[in-house]
Amino acid sequence: QSVLTQPPSVSAAPGQKVTISCSGSSSSIGNNYVSWYQQVPGTAPKLLIYDNNKRPSGIPDRFSGSKSGTSATLGITGLQTGDAADYYCGSWDGSLSAYVFGTGTKVSVL
Amino acid sequence: QVQLQESGPGLVKPSGTLSLTCAVSGGSISSSSWWSWVRQPPGKGLEWIGDIYHSGSTNYNPSLKSRVIMSIDKSKNHFSLKLSSVTAADTAVYYCAVGYCSGGSCYLYPWGQGTLVTVSS
Repeated sequence: QSVLTQPPSVSAAPGQKVTISCSGSSSSIGNNYVSWYQQVPGTAPKLLIYDNNKRPSGIPDRFSGSKSGTSATLGITGLQTGDAADYYCGSWDGSLSAYVFGTGTKVSVL
Repeated sequence: QVQLQESGPGLVKPSGTLSLTCAVSGGSISSSSWWSWVRQPPGKGLEWIGDIYHSGSTNYNPSLKSRVIMSIDKSKNHFSLKLSSVTAADTAVYYCAVGYCSGGSCYLYPWGQGTLVTVSS
């Protein structure tokens, strides 16, 4: 059960910027950190952002994250064809005592 | 860097028990990590199943809690998932992952490559 809501899809031309929103609640995003994952079709998810805005080693600074209240946003600048993938947000939910994922957003590079 | 590899039967009969193992290499399963399972039905999103600490402490998704058992084997440096009373709805790619959770910060990194389990007679 997804308790984090994302838009189904976003698209932009190469070189442009896209943003993906992730809406939760006080028990999830409102009181916990947010992480973001990229899943290229046919492969395992990969961590892009953790603790709202930190990037693991090897993730380019074209990827950025932010959080405000019960929502979070992933930004991708200088869009590349290789960025075409599904993106998921994630956060701990204190009410459920469970880790929850967003509904997922498909990014298309036009 | 820690690497994970899932293994187990790719086909399980309805009402049976799904059993998977995740082998950990490049690190110790006794480290301060939560060893996690996530699944993804074909064409759908990610669902967290639960996790286990090296002490044996567990957290399970409330929607699956009655059917899930996770265990850890320090001697073999691997952890396992058992899901009972499976139906076609349990058909999914199952991933294991390393979870880091502390003080409201929780994320999964890295992930195994995943293994497809199909529930069918």
